[in-house]
Amino acid sequence: DTEVTQTPKHLVMGMTNKKSLKCEQHMGHRAMYWYKQKAKKPPELMFVYSYEKLSINESVPSRFSPECPNSSLLNLHLHALQPEDSALYLCASSRGASTEAFFGQGTRLTVV
Amino acid sequence: KQEVTQIPAALSVPEGENLVLNCSFTDSAIYNLQWFRQDPGKGLTSLLLIQSSQREQTSGRLNASLDKSSGRSTLYIAASQPGDSATYLCAAALFYSSASKIIFGSGTRLSIRP
Repeated sequence: DTEVTQTPKHLVMGMTNKKSLKCEQHMGHRAMYWYKQKAKKPPELMFVYSYEKLSINESVPSRFSPECPNSSLLNLHLHALQPEDSALYLCASSRGASTEAFFGQGTRLTVV
Repeated sequence: KQEVTQIPAALSVPEGENLVLNCSFTDSAIYNLQWFRQDPGKGLTSLLLIQSSQREQTSGRLNASLDKSSGRSTLYIAASQPGDSATYLCAAALFYSSASKIIFGSGTRLSIRP
């Protein structure tokens, strides 16, 4: 099983809403990642968790708040987003720092 | 700061041709170099992973090479098919404490004409 599952697949939210994106893997991977991808652009790294600890934060605005409650689950909490935050949000995991990364199918987020 | 560049940005070839996609990176201190495929609006599918100590990897009609000293990787696709049409992304995994940063190139949009 090399699957990374992201829910929901699509999300429309208003600028005053609070929502969460969820990512789950059962491969025993200890590194998990959040990426943001705008149309026709490559994915941009947002956060990296290693052994459930936040290792990398790429200067992401505080309206995005990551959480790693256990080794299989990664959340991204959203509040007070702007329309320019509309994008495909991708989650990935890898066994360690030097091993193959597997990506989920993404959550298509639209902020209205 | 690591930069990853892909050339060409777009490529259209007739079915059956062999083709090469190029990727270059500025910082040779990488864990690995990974090639992905992305279909429109979808997630990323891992194609090949080359560790920093390796020179090449093969999977079916795909062959990827890595030259760390020159900061280059190539993805060779043999006997291309219309189903190969997609965006191909290379990504370099960089040392960073206990984790790694995976930095993507801008991608090559490949179109295979029947």
